[in-house]
Amino acid sequence: KAGVTQTPRYLIKTRGQQVTLSCSPISGHRSVSWYQQTPGQGLQFLFEYFSETQRNKGNFPGRFSGRQFSNSRSEMNVSTLELGDSALYLCASSLEVDGANVLTFGAGSRLTVL
Amino acid sequence: DAKTTQPNSMESNEEEPVHLPCNHSTISGTDYIHWYRQLPSQGPEYVIHGLTSNVNNRMASLAIAEDRKSSTLILHRATLRDAAVYYCILRAYNAGNMLTFGGGTRLMVKP
Repeated sequence: KAGVTQTPRYLIKTRGQQVTLSCSPISGHRSVSWYQQTPGQGLQFLFEYFSETQRNKGNFPGRFSGRQFSNSRSEMNVSTLELGDSALYLCASSLEVDGANVLTFGAGSRLTVL
Repeated sequence: DAKTTQPNSMESNEEEPVHLPCNHSTISGTDYIHWYRQLPSQGPEYVIHGLTSNVNNRMASLAIAEDRKSSTLILHRATLRDAAVYYCILRAYNAGNMLTFGGGTRLMVKP
């Protein structure tokens, strides 16, 4: 069974550019969530999508956006990149187990902003 | 989500049991206790979760205090591969997939 696939794995951008990251969830998982991980702030929730609708949103500026397609694949976009956006961006999809969602994470997309 | 408190780091010898504590004194009655771990250069990985009773799976055991204000993740026989950051997280029932990660406990395993 394939896991959560994130592309690209590594990318380098310059300030002011925009970036799009992609996430393919495990087959059958309808919920996808995104997290940002930095050494200073740790793992922080960005947003969550379920059946193409944003269900929850973290405390990030509007430059961070996302969407989910009908096949559950998701993308996140960061516009007008800043140096502080350098981070590991993690996607997770979930399957409900005993009434509590268990998340499966991808390996992440490491973004470096120069 | 309610807050959890974990030690910053712990050390263990290979093939010995490890007990990773977590305090969650403000837990509510519907909060599940989840544990995830993150190995170097990987995304977090689900370990175990529970509500009130102790739980066992192939990876670990979860011991939950009777008042639910604390829990302990037990690795029965630590291996070098268990060296990771372990996160204890509280999640309300059907709260979606918004996880609030704390700093976690960095477990070091000595050969």
